[in-house]
Amino acid sequence: EPEVTQTPSHQVTQMGQEVILRCVPISNHLYFYWYRQILGQKVEFLVSFYNNEISEKSEIFDDQFSVERPDGSNFTLKIRSTKLEDSAMYFCASSEAHGTGVTQYFGPGTRLLVL
Amino acid sequence: AQSVTQLDSQVPVFEEAPVELRCNYSSSVSVYLFWYVQYPNQGLQLLLKYLSGSTLVKGINGFEAEFNKSQTSFHLRKPSVHISDTAEYFCAVSSTGTYKYIFGTGTRLKVLA
Repeated sequence: EPEVTQTPSHQVTQMGQEVILRCVPISNHLYFYWYRQILGQKVEFLVSFYNNEISEKSEIFDDQFSVERPDGSNFTLKIRSTKLEDSAMYFCASSEAHGTGVTQYFGPGTRLLVL
Repeated sequence: AQSVTQLDSQVPVFEEAPVELRCNYSSSVSVYLFWYVQYPNQGLQLLLKYLSGSTLVKGINGFEAEFNKSQTSFHLRKPSVHISDTAEYFCAVSSTGTYKYIFGTGTRLKVLA
């Protein structure tokens, strides 16, 4: 069964450094998402992306974050200057269609630790 | 604004016993409800979803959930759990006008031998 993959599974970085989290969505999916979960808290929506544009973003997704689909298979989340509070599990998701009630398929996550 | 509450952070249960994982939501518009499961080192996998129609929804691995609009709940149930059901379970809601999911904090189900 096709699945969403994410790399790396764990990343440790120093505060102020840039990190890029990578995702390979399911191949025929056109809609992509990033979520994060700070330890002990809820999974929170960050951004949705379609046709090389952000279609929706949360208030968390400020100027330090950016997303990109650099080629036909990868979808990346860049955090420009990491802060301690960026430490979290980051989940990528993809879907065939874009709409309420559509199933999003999630990857295993990247655990980011900012020191 | 929408929100999802999963009151139980951990639920221990013996093998072959029934289990109910609770989920309550709040929303001022029509909602669509989901349960996802996360096994160790894996992604979030869809168990079941409610879009409309019958309020009792059956999913994979013998799980089912009942949508109760008056109580704004979508509790997940399984009549007899297995050791392999040990995982984290997430309730989520989406609603008209947005494509994002709103998740609860998750419930860690631990099935004991």
